[in-house]
Amino acid sequence: TQLLEQSPQFLSIQEGENLTVYCNSSSVFSSLQWYRQEPGEGPVLLVTVVTGGEVKKLKRLTFQFGDARKDSSLHITAAQPGDTGLYLCAGAAGGGNKLTFGTGTQLKVEL
Amino acid sequence: DTGVSQDPRHKITKRGQNVTFRCDPISEHNRLYWYRQTLGQGPEFLTYFQNEAQLEKSRLLSDRFSAERPKGSFSTLEIQRTEQGDSAMYLCASRFQGAVNTEAFFGQGTRLTVV
Repeated sequence: TQLLEQSPQFLSIQEGENLTVYCNSSSVFSSLQWYRQEPGEGPVLLVTVVTGGEVKKLKRLTFQFGDARKDSSLHITAAQPGDTGLYLCAGAAGGGNKLTFGTGTQLKVEL
Repeated sequence: DTGVSQDPRHKITKRGQNVTFRCDPISEHNRLYWYRQTLGQGPEFLTYFQNEAQLEKSRLLSDRFSAERPKGSFSTLEIQRTEQGDSAMYLCASRFQGAVNTEAFFGQGTRLTVV
């Protein structure tokens, strides 16, 4: 069974602070996605990383895929209240490319 | 295209009743996935379709659950004899798998509450 562990599980910070969320697995994934989900809504795709060692930037968000394609990180610079939400990593593997989701990180950014 | 659409958004049902959810994927997406998400957890895979063929089912999908995609477009997920443990958000996602693959895009989900 492929498992993705995310840490931390909960994070409450002040506006303007930086943070990093980690996503770790013992399995190799062909690609890894990061999603953000708000209460009562479906996950919204932020980014897909495919190549080991890949780094992608999306405004204040920086995503990194580990060299061995087993782990990933999401770094947010100067967090804003609008960044509040549940952050999910998801790895794709197998012929069906079904996603295995991480345990989630609930982020709250306060003024 | 308005993205993946799910109906209803919310469903409250009594234990023992049957419920059916519908998912309309992004047009031309040949793959459709169903996931279940309980509070505070990440979504868990239930099943997926390639066009109208159901290619994989999770062990989470008990005999009371059935999914169809009869014409390779919309899909339905039916739960028979609902139990309180079925209360969850049911999410649908679609993507295109072919010469050029796309990522999976999710609908807004159907929140099921079994009372």
